[in-house]
Parts: sequence; C-alpha cells; structure tokens
Amino acid sequence: GAVVSQHPSRVICKSGTSVKIECRSLDFQATTMFWYRQFPKQSLMLMATSNEGSKATYEQGVEKDKFLINHASLTLSTLTVTSAHPEDSSFYICSASLSGGSTGDTQYFGPGTRLTVL
Amino acid sequence: DQQVKQNSPSLSVQEGRISILNCDYTNSMFDYFLWYKKYPAEGPTFLISISSIKDKNEDGRFTVFLNKSAKHLSLHIVPSQPGDSAVYFCAATTSGTYKYIFGTGTRLKVLA
Repeated sequence: GAVVSQHPSRVICKSGTSVKIECRSLDFQATTMFWYRQFPKQSLMLMATSNEGSKATYEQGVEKDKFLINHASLTLSTLTVTSAHPEDSSFYICSASLSGGSTGDTQYFGPGTRLTVL
Repeated sequence: DQQVKQNSPSLSVQEGRISILNCDYTNSMFDYFLWYKKYPAEGPTFLISISSIKDKNEDGRFTVFLNKSAKHLSLHIVPSQPGDSAVYFCAATTSGTYKYIFGTGTRLKVLA
C-alpha cells in the first residue's frame, strides 16, 4: 500500500517552455501532497504544500508564478514549471500524506522526475 | 541554516556487521523524526520513525534511537546486507507544521 507515482520520470525541454509533472497516489486518498526538489549531493528541499481543493502553500524563496501547483483531486497533484530555464534543472519529487499531513503521518514519496532544461 | 545535519557523507560496513547512521538537529521544537532510504534516481522510501516521547523504536533489522538532550538520533541496521547500500536521509518535523526538514544524507555501502 501507499504507492505514489510520478510522470514523466525524465524530461528534457528547451529553455522557455513549460513542463508539467504529475503526482498520483495510487492506492490511497491524499489530502495533502508535497513537492520537493533535490540538487546533486544535497538534501531534499520542500517547495510547496498542496491541499486538495485549495491553493498551495509555497516555501520562502519559491516563486509561485513559476512553479504552478494544482491539486484537483484526492489522488492527483500537478507541478508545472513555467518558462523553464537551465537553472530549473533538478530532480523533482512529490510525496503524499495519508491523512492531512500532521505530525505522525508519514509522507510517501514518488520516484521523482529528472528535469533537464537545455 | 542547516537544522538537520548528517555529518558523515558516507559509510562502509562489512556484510553482517552493524551500520550506525547519525543525525543531529538544532531545533528543539522538532518532535517527530523519520529515516528514509533512497536509491539513485528514485524517490525516498520510508524506513522507520520515532516520536519525541520515545527514545527507541525497533522494526526488524532497523532501530532508531533518539537522545533529546543531545538533539541526536541514530539509525542502527543489524545485520547489514548488501541490499541496504543506499543513501539514508533523516528528517525532522514539528507538530502541525506538516513540514519535513531533511538532512543531507549518508551514503551507506555494505560490502559483501
């Protein structure tokens, strides 16, 4: 149980284009989903917290207009990197919490998406 | 400001021996801690967690110890197996914030 999928697993795009990444909880409903990015040999950095049916909460320093998050259903959240630039190249990982994301609720992670912007 | 630190970037252990991975934190408000295992190009996999009301939690070969006064936790894997070779991240969070703070990871290599 508690499987989270991401699509695509890898994407290469030209600078200036937009890229959409999907995150799905396959066998449970996720009230809260989280988006992280990880640079090589660094920690996972939380970008935003996404709650179904409401606006995402972004971490300090994360541009909400650049990283659009939509949590349209209890099993799907999407991250759109708009007008991508080479510095946006990174490993993006989503996670989902089984019941609202409070302490004690474990986050289950997707396999990640490697974005390369040329 | 790195609130969660894993000071050992790598660790090598012989198969069958104990692996001890360490994690230190600075924020005394953290009250829930987790360990994740990660393979290259994959998302982290949950291993084990511990609440601040406990000082030990055990699950099979994995045991997590928490020393609140020292703001230190450790993950013990015994016996270590080659399949345990991966990067291990510790994470900490505070009740109600929903936010995990991750350490930088320790790469464990279990030698056959």
